[in-house]
Amino acid sequence: GEEVAQTPKHLVRGEGQKAKLYCAPIKGHSYVFWYQQVLKNEFKFLISFQNENVFDETGMPKERFSAKCLPNSPCSLEIQATKLEDSAVYFCASSQDQNYGYTFGSGTRLTVV
Amino acid sequence: QKEVEQNSGPLSVPEGAIASLNCTYSDRGSQSFFWYRQYSGKSPELIMSIYSNGDKEDGRFTAQLNKASQYVSLLIRDSQPSDSATYLCAVKTGGYQKVTFGIGTKLQVIP
Repeated sequence: GEEVAQTPKHLVRGEGQKAKLYCAPIKGHSYVFWYQQVLKNEFKFLISFQNENVFDETGMPKERFSAKCLPNSPCSLEIQATKLEDSAVYFCASSQDQNYGYTFGSGTRLTVV
Repeated sequence: QKEVEQNSGPLSVPEGAIASLNCTYSDRGSQSFFWYRQYSGKSPELIMSIYSNGDKEDGRFTAQLNKASQYVSLLIRDSQPSDSATYLCAVKTGGYQKVTFGIGTKLQVIP
């Protein structure tokens, strides 16, 4: 499709629970990016993929965060043992080329209580 | 020093005026520059990309890039109330496969 589809729109988890977010990129876009937006519009880069391969994971807190993009499946971002500070909007974006601008999904708002 | 710096605003301009949004970046190796518009509670939307020094115009929007000064700007002519949003400057550095975002400038267009 012509939009980046993110699910769910909202997710509430108790501290210590697992959270899993999904993203279907635009068909034909090879690159997928995950960003975390916290208060005051600060976007934090998490990870990027070129097809199913990790392209850049310099932003990932690896001890609790993991992500995958498998063929014929939506990409996923999983947070094990969520913490209060993980509360944020998680945006997925896709792009045809690493040097092009991104198309963003509508985001998943994660609230950890 | 932050990698991408913007004034958070708010920047208030009257309807019909030119809004000027500015951004500086720290990495001289940066190659690709973007402006996104984000309405409150929504996702960012790409409005301009610029890759070489100079001006690039698209409708009411003009992006300006000066790599020597490490400066990017966005001009919005004939500002409309519907332009009221947060404008995010984003920069891709050559050696990294990620785009770094500024904190955004909130623009308010007053009718």
